[in-house]
Amino acid sequence: GAVVSQHPSRVICKSGTSVKIECRSLDFQATTMFWYRQFPKQSLMLMATSNEGSKATYEQGVEKDKFLINHASLTLSTLTVTSAHPEDSSFYICSAPSQTGPSYNEQFFGPGTRLTVL
Amino acid sequence: KQEVTQIPAALSVPEGENLVLNCSFTDSAIYNLQWFRQDPGKGLTSLLLIQSSQREQTSGRLNASLDKSSGRSTLYIAASQPGDSATYLCAVNSGYSTLTFGKGTMLLVSP
Repeated sequence: GAVVSQHPSRVICKSGTSVKIECRSLDFQATTMFWYRQFPKQSLMLMATSNEGSKATYEQGVEKDKFLINHASLTLSTLTVTSAHPEDSSFYICSAPSQTGPSYNEQFFGPGTRLTVL
Repeated sequence: KQEVTQIPAALSVPEGENLVLNCSFTDSAIYNLQWFRQDPGKGLTSLLLIQSSQREQTSGRLNASLDKSSGRSTLYIAASQPGDSATYLCAVNSGYSTLTFGKGTMLLVSP
């Protein structure tokens, strides 16, 4: 299947700092990528849809000014958590859908980024 | 609003058993359904994708079925192995590629 990477895999930062997380589709192009958040022992919750060449679409309750998304190219989306606070500590995972072939619309996920805000 | 429920929440079986994981969803207007595996602290691995027009998909020891009209899917794992221990997530695509996830079934297969 297609491969999606994320960087960094783990980050620890102080409260008030900003953290950038990268999501890359390695062997396919993705005009759309998705960002999810997962709290301990919870399932994944969609935060926003990242669209190449246009603004991201945020889910209800997600602050767009706090979680900045940039879809710079057909293989890269970035999520920046601005002025991070301890309650932002979570597991952030991105995904991208296959847009060709028999696995059309199959979602491929990155390995996730564990964010800990002290 | 689509809601996805997975039963059971946790399952512990001895090695070699066949088992079934259940997933139900409230809105039958779906594009596809996907089963994932998640190991602790890791991302998601796609196991099987069933398009809305399909009734089942098979990959190795895994078989997933879909009954869209009743809002149900099952994941069948044959001859379970300790390496199958993980959390299994069911996710429904109701449009625009956005997925709604269930809370998962935590599976433990003991040697």
